[in-house]
Amino acid sequence: DSGVTQTPKHLITATGQRVTLRCSPRSGDLSVYWYQQSLDQGLQFLIQYYNGEERAKGNILERFSAQQFPDLHSELNLSSLELGDSALYFCASSVGSGAWDTQYFGPGTRLTVL
Amino acid sequence: AQKITQTQPGMFVQEKEAVTLDCTYDTSDQSYGLFWYKQPSSGEMIFLIYQGSYDEQNATEGRYSLNFQKARKSANLVISASQLGDSAMYFCAMSGRYNTDKLIFGTGTRLQVFP
Repeated sequence: DSGVTQTPKHLITATGQRVTLRCSPRSGDLSVYWYQQSLDQGLQFLIQYYNGEERAKGNILERFSAQQFPDLHSELNLSSLELGDSALYFCASSVGSGAWDTQYFGPGTRLTVL
Repeated sequence: AQKITQTQPGMFVQEKEAVTLDCTYDTSDQSYGLFWYKQPSSGEMIFLIYQGSYDEQNATEGRYSLNFQKARKSANLVISASQLGDSAMYFCAMSGRYNTDKLIFGTGTRLQVFP
């Protein structure tokens, strides 16, 4: 158990809908990262927050947004869902924001868009 | 741009034998980190081992060791005394100062351990 929690574990929804994925980092970790794992794209970085502030953005679609709250938990919002958004979404956390801080991953949320 | 290459889509190893999973990387950074993660069929990503670019000694964590050859830009994972529970996907990843803090992942190697 990495100490990172993600809810829900599974999510099935329809095209055009909006969903929210939730992540709680390990105790003491200030950075939260979101990654998407799909069969065709592999593991892709979406976005990073550090202590409540957005720090880095990857290939995150405009339909997707995220935030990190004062208690350091984070939410990833996916809207106007398309079939291609079906993927495993991981949250990871690290102590700091350095490139050498080990990122510990949560169990993931498997999103299925029908 | 940074890139990770894992050329072995699949590997087989017999229980109790050692296995090496290959990883090569490309970066213009002088300071970077290299990581290996394990993804069992259940889906979670498990951190295995880390090597910093300035570390002179190869990293080891229990049965896992990282064979770091900086000049060749390779960071191979060696699993000694394979166990059936080692069957999983293995991902090599890197981070670097000029890449912000995100991890760049390879495409993974599926390891199957047979009795």
